[in-house]
Amino acid sequence: DAGVTQSPTHLIKTRGQHVTLRCSPISGHKSVSWYQQVLGQGPQFIFQYYEKEERGRGNFPDRFSARQFPNYSSELNVNALLLGDSALYLCASSLRGMNTEAFFGQGTRLTVV
Amino acid sequence: GESVGLHLPTLSVQEGDNSIINCAYSNSASDYFIWYKQESGKGPQFIIDIRSNMDKRQGQRVTVLLNKTVKHLSLQIAATQPGDSAVYFCAENINTGTASKLTFGTGTRLQVTL
Repeated sequence: DAGVTQSPTHLIKTRGQHVTLRCSPISGHKSVSWYQQVLGQGPQFIFQYYEKEERGRGNFPDRFSARQFPNYSSELNVNALLLGDSALYLCASSLRGMNTEAFFGQGTRLTVV
Repeated sequence: GESVGLHLPTLSVQEGDNSIINCAYSNSASDYFIWYKQESGKGPQFIIDIRSNMDKRQGQRVTVLLNKTVKHLSLQIAATQPGDSAVYFCAENINTGTASKLTFGTGTRLQVTL
């Protein structure tokens, strides 16, 4: 069984552009959470989706948005990129949204230049 | 692989010794705590969790201690092996009513020397 898969693995964007990051959860998992990990720090919660609905949002500006599709995969969108958005973006999937059951993907390394 | 954290506190331990990694948390409302291991170029990997109504939990070669009085958490790794080298994060789980979110600590890099 495949784990959580994220694409792309690496991405370079220019300031002001927008980006879409993708996550496929483990088969059967209905919840996806997104985290941002800046180099040298722990991950920070961005969003949690469960059954295609947003269940929680962290302290991030409206430039960050996400959605979950009927097949439970998810996209994270970031508009008007800033240099400070450079980070590793992690996706975690779980069956019901319980973090003790969550598995993380390898992340997408976004570099904004 | 890419380095997870360049300026994290570092704990150097000799192979075979025991390791103790400490973590302070802030939210008294956390219902459980999780320790993660993150190797270079990978996402965090679940190690062990502990509910807030417990003070100790043991796994295979790992023990987590929780002291709610001083809001302190520790991870003990017995007989540390080279494969244990990684960055370790504690995380507190907070339920906001509709969501469960993890708040991570800053992390500790564990270096195992031969």
